[in-house]
Formats: sequence, C-alpha cells, structure tokens
Amino acid sequence: SAVISQKPSRDICQRGTSLTIQCQVDSQVTMMFWYRQQPGQSLTLIATANQGSEATYESGFVIDKFPISRPNLTFSTLTVSNMSPEDSSIYLCSAKPAMADYGYTFGSGTRLTVV
Amino acid sequence: RKEVEQDPGPFNVPEGATVAFNCTYSNSASQSFFWYRQDCRKEPKLLMSVYSSGNEDGRFTAQLNRASQYISLLIRDSKLSDSATYLCVVSYGQNFVFGPGTRLSVLP
Repeated sequence: SAVISQKPSRDICQRGTSLTIQCQVDSQVTMMFWYRQQPGQSLTLIATANQGSEATYESGFVIDKFPISRPNLTFSTLTVSNMSPEDSSIYLCSAKPAMADYGYTFGSGTRLTVV
Repeated sequence: RKEVEQDPGPFNVPEGATVAFNCTYSNSASQSFFWYRQDCRKEPKLLMSVYSSGNEDGRFTAQLNRASQYISLLIRDSKLSDSATYLCVVSYGQNFVFGPGTRLSVLP
C-alpha cells in the first residue's frame, strides 16, 4: 500500500493565522482526501483533493476556510485559514490505492492547537 | 440515523478474553467494508477488509451480513496490545464513511 508522509506533525498557532499541511505519497494515487478528527471523535471528511481541479468539499466545509491544492498525483496541501480555537484538531490526509478492496492509507496526522 | 453506527463502548476485557464488536450501516448501496484500528494519538491503520463470505486473519474474524447491513469483528485470545479504538468503515462509490469507533482496553 502507499506510504504517506505528512507534515508538520504538530503545531501551535495564534488565532487569525493560517497553517498549511502537506502530504506526500510515495506512489501515484487516484484519490486523496483530507479529514479532521476532533478529540474523542471519529473522522470527518473535509474534502476530496482532485488533481488539476478544485477540491470537492463536504457539507460544512468551504474553500475559503480550507483551501486545498493537488498539483500532481502524489502531493496535496490543506490550509487552515484564519484559525480560531475551534479549529484545534487532528488533520489527516489519506490516499486511495488502485485496488478497491484495499482500505485507504493515512498520513500520520497533524495535531493543531490554536491559542 | 447516522450512516455508520457502532457499539458505544468502551470495552474493558481481561487478557485472553474473546470480544466482539458490532457495526451497522444505513446505505444499502455500500460496496466495501473495512475494520481499522486507531491507537491513541496515531492515525487509523487498516486492520482487515471484510468480505461477504466472512474472513479470518489470525485471532481476528470479520463477518458481513448485507441483508441486515451489519458487520462484526471478533477478537479471540485478546492481548494487551489489542487495546485501541476499532473503527468500522463503509464505502460506496468514492465515499468512505467512518463509524464513531469502539474503544477496547485489554487488562492484565
């Protein structure tokens, strides 16, 4: 399965600032996704990162707040913009392998704290 | 009703016990099913896919009942290292939906 390098692993940010999270996959993948996991909760899909076109956002998430880039089939970024303490969470990227039977692989996550 | 529901847990069991987790899903068009394991402060990792005929991987057995839209995971002879949150995951099309997870603590 694909291996995903995600960085930064953690950060503490001031409110009103922005943070960009990067994910690099060691092989080309068709689909990449960004999730948020709040403490004690399961994963919530933020958006699907589409290569060469705008990301597809889930209900409750908007491009102005969470701009996403996917310049090629191995790399994606998620920016958390104009942060507030409510954005404190773990952000995870994931990739869909070619074989449908295989589950998605996840990056190691970015633990964000907004103060 | 949530798309994927799981036993609320937590489950606290002694070493060597057998424990079963249940999961139900609401979308009958769901195509693929998985169990993930998530350790504290770590990313989810695939434990096993779930096939219609049921499948086993060592001490772990997964079952799928499409008619009842129900998935289960059985862990036999539980080890301390099995302590984690177990996430039921259901996919249809490009959608990949996580259940809320069930936390397991295996006690010495």
